[in-house]
Amino acid sequence: GAGVSQSPSNKVTEKGKDVELRCDPISGHTALYWYRQSLGQGLEFLIYFQGNSAPDKSGLPSDRFSAERTGGSVSTLTIQRTQQEDSAVYLCASSALGTGGSYEQYFGPGTRLTVT
Amino acid sequence: DAKTTQPNSMESNEEEPVHLPCNHSTISGTDYIHWYRQLPSQGPEYVIHGLTSNVNNRMASLAIAEDRKSSTLILHRATLRDAAVYYCIPGGGADGLTFGKGTHLIIQP
Repeated sequence: GAGVSQSPSNKVTEKGKDVELRCDPISGHTALYWYRQSLGQGLEFLIYFQGNSAPDKSGLPSDRFSAERTGGSVSTLTIQRTQQEDSAVYLCASSALGTGGSYEQYFGPGTRLTVT
Repeated sequence: DAKTTQPNSMESNEEEPVHLPCNHSTISGTDYIHWYRQLPSQGPEYVIHGLTSNVNNRMASLAIAEDRKSSTLILHRATLRDAAVYYCIPGGGADGLTFGKGTHLIIQP
């Protein structure tokens, strides 16, 4: 079946502009996650949605970052007033309860954001 | 989150077994031990997870120490396509994952 998809694959924006990144999770997956990976750095958790519960925003680096998930499916990550340090690959993952009580996360290909 | 320690890099020959160690001495009693890998220019990929018992799947085996303070990911017969960064991640079932620096696995032909 179809995996997690993200759009756009690449985005170049000027400092100070707002950007929106989109994630389409695997159909039926109740949990959705956003991460980012800066050049040469590890992956950093940003936010997590589970069903209709309030999202876990503990990883968002500043109030310029926000995310929403409409209808329990598609999610949009918005970065306002972008800064150069926001340049990174933004990865989305989705999951459903798997065997043994843990969730396997399936990652999309990512959106490479470059802020000039 | 439990702190993990993994070798920065390991090297192995193609078609030989690879044992990737991870120390997670502060793991809580309810944390699963997840392993993910990231191939060059790709998003992470789930490999395997376990709680207390050793686990096997089509990709790998996971050996968990009796005290759960360490684990070893075993690739039974490494191929060039297994060259990746391997992450050991203790954590709750559905929580966001905390990725460390992982082990960069190099496979020599």
